[in-house]
Amino acid sequence: QSVLTQPPSASGTPGQTITISCSGSSSNIGSNTVNWYQQLPGTAPKLVIYNNHQWPSGVPDRFAGSKSGTSALLAISGLQSEDEADYYCAAWDDNLSGPVFGGGTKLTVL
Amino acid sequence: QVHLVQSGVEVKKPGASLKVSCKASGYTFVDYGIIWVRQAPGQGLEWMGWISPYNGNTNYAQRFQGRVTVTTDTSTSTSFMELRNLRSDDTAMYYCARMYTSQSVDWFAPWGQGTLVTVSS
Repeated sequence: QSVLTQPPSASGTPGQTITISCSGSSSNIGSNTVNWYQQLPGTAPKLVIYNNHQWPSGVPDRFAGSKSGTSALLAISGLQSEDEADYYCAAWDDNLSGPVFGGGTKLTVL
Repeated sequence: QVHLVQSGVEVKKPGASLKVSCKASGYTFVDYGIIWVRQAPGQGLEWMGWISPYNGNTNYAQRFQGRVTVTTDTSTSTSFMELRNLRSDDTAMYYCARMYTSQSVDWFAPWGQGTLVTVSS
């Protein structure tokens, strides 16, 4: 069972906006920033949002992150077929001195 | 460009030890940490341990304490993850990633390509 809670699945049609939630606690999301990782089938994870809402170089601004209290949200607008992947939220946990991950959300583009 | 390149596929028997390497390039190796994460088939991401190449400080996830050791060789910009006393449930893809952490801000990027490890008798 993962420390951070995400819905197991999400879906949308091309052009739509979808959101993925991530819930944690005061020792992780409540105290530290949230990152989101995209894992395309058969590949390594890739950072798509860091520091709650910032984009690494090369990531389109269709991806948007936000945080409030002990929860975070990833929004993907203008959904494209290439966005079909597993998405993981992560945050440092002060009690563990290491990161905790969500269980992952499988995004299907219908 | 920053790259992390991991060693190849491993097949091990229960009780054996595993050592995976992760060679970094394109940045100053000692300026960032290295974190090791594994992913069992069809499962999510699980942190194993991290190291600061600058001072050698390490920290390991509770469930791997005593069984895992992460080291670095700064002369070759390479990190190593050793896992001992392998069990069948250690079958997984093992990833290294460059780790930035400072004052409540942390992120892992890029990630290595992964090393597939199968533990079977």
